[in-house]
Amino acid sequence: DQQVKQNSPSLSVQEGRISILNCDYTNSMFDYFLWYKKYPAEGPTFLISISSIKDKNEDGRFTVFLNKSAKHLSLHIVPSQPGDSAVYFCAATDNYGQNFVFGPGTRLSVLP
Amino acid sequence: DSGVTQTPKHLITATGQRVTLRCSPRSGDLSVYWYQQSLDQGLQFLIQYYNGEERAKGNILERFSAQQFPDLHSELNLSSLELGDSALYFCASNDGGGKETQYFGPGTRLLVL
Repeated sequence: DQQVKQNSPSLSVQEGRISILNCDYTNSMFDYFLWYKKYPAEGPTFLISISSIKDKNEDGRFTVFLNKSAKHLSLHIVPSQPGDSAVYFCAATDNYGQNFVFGPGTRLSVLP
Repeated sequence: DSGVTQTPKHLITATGQRVTLRCSPRSGDLSVYWYQQSLDQGLQFLIQYYNGEERAKGNILERFSAQQFPDLHSELNLSSLELGDSALYFCASNDGGGKETQYFGPGTRLLVL
């Protein structure tokens, strides 16, 4: 059973527009969430995180929103740039950080 | 460059064989994580070590084992290999082993023929 789901395997967005990547989780013990970006032939790189005590965290063009009651989070990228084209993984962990669960990823293509 | 190194980059072997993947964490990081990414799958957490001791176990098969040495590098041993073990294996590290950011290596691509 997938505890972290990213139901959109791929997403295409025009350069300059907003990209919205979604993630759902099922385990109510998760209280810390992260987004990683992965380019081909490289390991994932950390993008942004959010604790369950917050509902929003912003870092430059990247904003993560958390809706605990819906067990849903989303990553907004504004404005999208061609260099943002990558696979984005949502990840979740519990309070102890000992059980990281990653979603299957969403491939974002930003078209010039 | 994350500072995490993994060797080898690529590995081709046959079913039934045994291989060892190596990971050197970022300088100062005490915790090492191993992940498996099969084709079109997300990253599956395998195991975590902190300062030489096993801290958490995920979906790691009994045919797989790992250890972290006194110099903090880690090895993942895969034995009795099957075709389905073909995957990308990532190592990640962080300093505290908790919720802080994990820094990933470039991965080892294993192909079992």
